[in-house]
Amino acid sequence: AQSVTQPDIHITVSEGASLELRCNYSYGATPYLFWYVQSPGQGLQLLLKYFSGDTLVQGIKGFEAEFKRSQSSFNLRKPSVHWSDAAEYFCAVGAPNSGYALNFGKGTSLLVTP
Amino acid sequence: EAQVTQNPRYLITVTGKKLTVTCSQNMNHEYMSWYRQDPGLGLRQIYYSMNVEVTDKGDVPEGYKVSRKEKRNFPLILESPSPNQTSLYFCASSSQGPGQTYEQYFGPGTRLTVT
Repeated sequence: AQSVTQPDIHITVSEGASLELRCNYSYGATPYLFWYVQSPGQGLQLLLKYFSGDTLVQGIKGFEAEFKRSQSSFNLRKPSVHWSDAAEYFCAVGAPNSGYALNFGKGTSLLVTP
Repeated sequence: EAQVTQNPRYLITVTGKKLTVTCSQNMNHEYMSWYRQDPGLGLRQIYYSMNVEVTDKGDVPEGYKVSRKEKRNFPLILESPSPNQTSLYFCASSSQGPGQTYEQYFGPGTRLTVT
C-alpha cells in the first residue's frame, strides 16, 4: 500500500520569503500525487495534482510542485509567501489498485510572520 | 454549482445514541469516501464506495457503517458512538474511468463531539 510522509510538522517563514514543504511517498509505481490546503476552520482545497507528464506542476495561488521519481518526493514550493498562506498543508497519494483512495500525510502547519 | 454537501455541519451527541451524517454530491461521481481528521494524524479513510452498492473498508472502519443505495448519496452511520469518535469528518467524491483526473472533491466537514 502507498504511504506519505511529511517530515515537517510545523514551519515558520517570514512574509515574502520562499517556501518549500516536503513530501515523500512510498509506492511501487507512479502514483497520483496531490497537495491540499486547509485554512483554519475550513475544508480542503486542492492546490495542485500530478498524474503524468511534466514533472513540474503549477497550481493555484502561485504554488508549484515537482515530482522527483528518484527521490520519491513531491515537494511544494512558493517563491514569495503571503500572510494569507498560513494554513495546514496536506500531501496525498492515490493509486489505481486501491480504488484511487487517497492516503494523506499528517500535514505541515505553516505560520507566516510579518 | 458542483459541490459535495454534508449535514449536519456540527453535532454534539451522547455515547450510544445512533446518528447518521449525510453526504450528497451533484457531479454524478462514481467514487465516494469518508475521512476523519484528528490533530497530528492527518486524514484517515474510513470507508469508500466505487459505485452504487459497492463499498469497502478504509484504514479506520471500526465503529462505522455506510451504504450506497443511490449514486449521489453516501451516508455515514455511527450505530453506537463513543467518545473516541469525536472528530472532524469529511466526505469526498471523484469521477472514475478513462480520461478522468480522479481529483477528489471534499465536503465542508462535519464536526462531531461525542460525550
